[in-house]
Amino acid sequence: EPEVTQTPSHQVTQMGQEVILRCVPISNHLYFYWYRQILGQKVEFLVSFYNNEISEKSEIFDDQFSVERPDGSNFTLKIRSTKLEDSAMYFCASRAGTGDGNIQYFGAGTRLSVL
Amino acid sequence: KNQVEQSPQSLIILEGKNCTLQCNYTVSPFSNLRWYKQDTGRGPVSLTIMTFSENTKSNGRYTATLDADTKQSSLHITASQLSDSASYICVVSRARAGTALIFGKGTTLSVSS
Repeated sequence: EPEVTQTPSHQVTQMGQEVILRCVPISNHLYFYWYRQILGQKVEFLVSFYNNEISEKSEIFDDQFSVERPDGSNFTLKIRSTKLEDSAMYFCASRAGTGDGNIQYFGAGTRLSVL
Repeated sequence: KNQVEQSPQSLIILEGKNCTLQCNYTVSPFSNLRWYKQDTGRGPVSLTIMTFSENTKSNGRYTATLDADTKQSSLHITASQLSDSASYICVVSRARAGTALIFGKGTTLSVSS
């Protein structure tokens, strides 16, 4: 069964460093998302991406964050200068867009630890 | 404010028993409501999805209900199994482009033998 793949599974970085979280959405899906989940808290929406541009973003997604789909298969989330409070589980999701019942399929997540 | 509230926060039941989880939402405009199962350290997996016109939907031992008038939903699990131990998250989608999901905090279910 097709699945969303995220790498790495765990990323440790120093405060102030740049990190790039990578996702390979399900092939032929058209909508892509990033969410985060701080330990013990609910999953929060960060950004959605369609047709090579951001379609919606939350107030969490400030200038320190950016997304890219560089090669038609990967979907990346970049945090320019990490802060301690960026430590969380980051989930990528993708959706087909038509005839899929509007279901978003999630990856297993990348745990980001900022020291 | 768009919010999704779930109860109880956690629940412990014996294997084979049934349970019902609750969800209240204040999301507008409403598009659909989903229940996800999230195992520890894993991404959420969709169980059911219901639109405004649907009152109930089943997926195996999982049955979800939706009352769009009172903005309430429930997830009923029948004949629980040890593998049902997980967090069950109620998620509401707004009716707009991008379709960002609004998550509840989840109910942590523990099934013991």
